[in-house]
Amino acid sequence: EPEVTQTPSHQVTQMGQEVILRCVPISNHLYFYWYRQILGQKVEFLVSFYNNEISEKSEIFDDQFSVERPDGSNFTLKIRSTKLEDSAMYFCASSEFKENEQFFGPGTRLTVL
Amino acid sequence: QKEVEQNSGPLSVPEGAIASLNCTYSDRVSQSFFWYRQYSGKSPELIMSIYSNGDKEDGRFTAQLNKASQYVSLLIRDSQPSDSATYLCAVNMFSGGYNKLIFGAGTRLAVHP
Repeated sequence: EPEVTQTPSHQVTQMGQEVILRCVPISNHLYFYWYRQILGQKVEFLVSFYNNEISEKSEIFDDQFSVERPDGSNFTLKIRSTKLEDSAMYFCASSEFKENEQFFGPGTRLTVL
Repeated sequence: QKEVEQNSGPLSVPEGAIASLNCTYSDRVSQSFFWYRQYSGKSPELIMSIYSNGDKEDGRFTAQLNKASQYVSLLIRDSQPSDSATYLCAVNMFSGGYNKLIFGAGTRLAVHP
């Protein structure tokens, strides 16, 4: 069964460093998303992406964040200068159509020291 | 602020009983509703989607939707210890023409033998 994959599973970085989180969405899906979950808190929407551009972004998704689909399979989230409060699980999700079910990857645990 | 509300629990039920999980949402124009299961330290796993008023059954799971009351629920029949997890209600907020999921905080379910 097709699934969303994410790498790395765990990323440890120093405050101020740049990180890139990678995702491979399900192959026939057209809509891609990033969510994050701070430990013990809700899953929060960050950004949605369709047709090679951002469809919508939350207030969390400020200038420090960017997304890219560098090739036909990967979808990346870049955090330019990490802060302690960026420590969270980051989930990539994809859906076939815009109102359809979103399927989540296993997540990347980001720890900012 | 568009919200999704759930009772945080824990909801404790004996093995074999019916577990009833509830969710209310604030955005009247929402059209798509989802239940995800999340085990500790893992990503959300889609278990049910529902788009129209009424009941939808899939195996031991039944989702119920009442758009007039802005209420969605999940029933789990013949609960098993392996069902012990946090159940997340998610609502598709169709803002700006593209979807994003707004999650509730989740209800912790504990099924005891």
